[in-house]
Amino acid sequence: DVKVTQSSRYLVKRTGEKVFLECVQDMDHENMFWYRQDPGLGLRLIYFSYDVKMKEKGDIPEGYSVSREKKERFSLILESASTNQTSMYLCASSLLGTSEGNEQFFGPGTRLTVL
Amino acid sequence: GENVEQHPSTLSVQEGDSAVIKCTYSDSASNYFPWYKQELGKRPQLIIDIRSNVGEKKDQRIAVTLNKTAKHFSLHITETQPEDSAVYFCAANVDFGNEKLTFGTGTRLTIIP
Repeated sequence: DVKVTQSSRYLVKRTGEKVFLECVQDMDHENMFWYRQDPGLGLRLIYFSYDVKMKEKGDIPEGYSVSREKKERFSLILESASTNQTSMYLCASSLLGTSEGNEQFFGPGTRLTVL
Repeated sequence: GENVEQHPSTLSVQEGDSAVIKCTYSDSASNYFPWYKQELGKRPQLIIDIRSNVGEKKDQRIAVTLNKTAKHFSLHITETQPEDSAVYFCAANVDFGNEKLTFGTGTRLTIIP
């Protein structure tokens, strides 16, 4: 059974702080993703990674960076948190498929509030 | 890039009736179309998916149809039950071998007992 965990369920930070969100998966998945979820906007992809040390920008990468030093761990970094980054952040992982698409398994989410 | 539109944003259905959620996509190269269900306070979970070489797929009370010519796909839930109440997201994948998904904005489905 795939398990994706995130370091915090709730986080409160101040404007300008550097914020780290951690995600760990235990199923040896190659792909890992970071999304943010906002009411009425669905799930928007911030960054994804298909291998260690590899990363690609998603649809809304501005203000974020990522790190993947180990296969099981994918970190999202807010270099200088701003109030418009208050959101629910969801991590996901999936196998690297040879055909069209594979299921993404999501973590429980981190609700980040930036004051 | 790919753009996925989803309608309606909210849907209320009497228990036992059917519910239909529709999505359109922009990139004709898209080839994989999953549907995720997110119950209140829970993480999204895949409920059904369809690939570009199939027009319809069914799994018990849920079914998905795909019209590649019109670039739209739909989720059908029959004999709805209270546990079907959730937010449903459609998605499309355009890159072969790359599991990047573009999601729709979601539909909040409420089943009225």
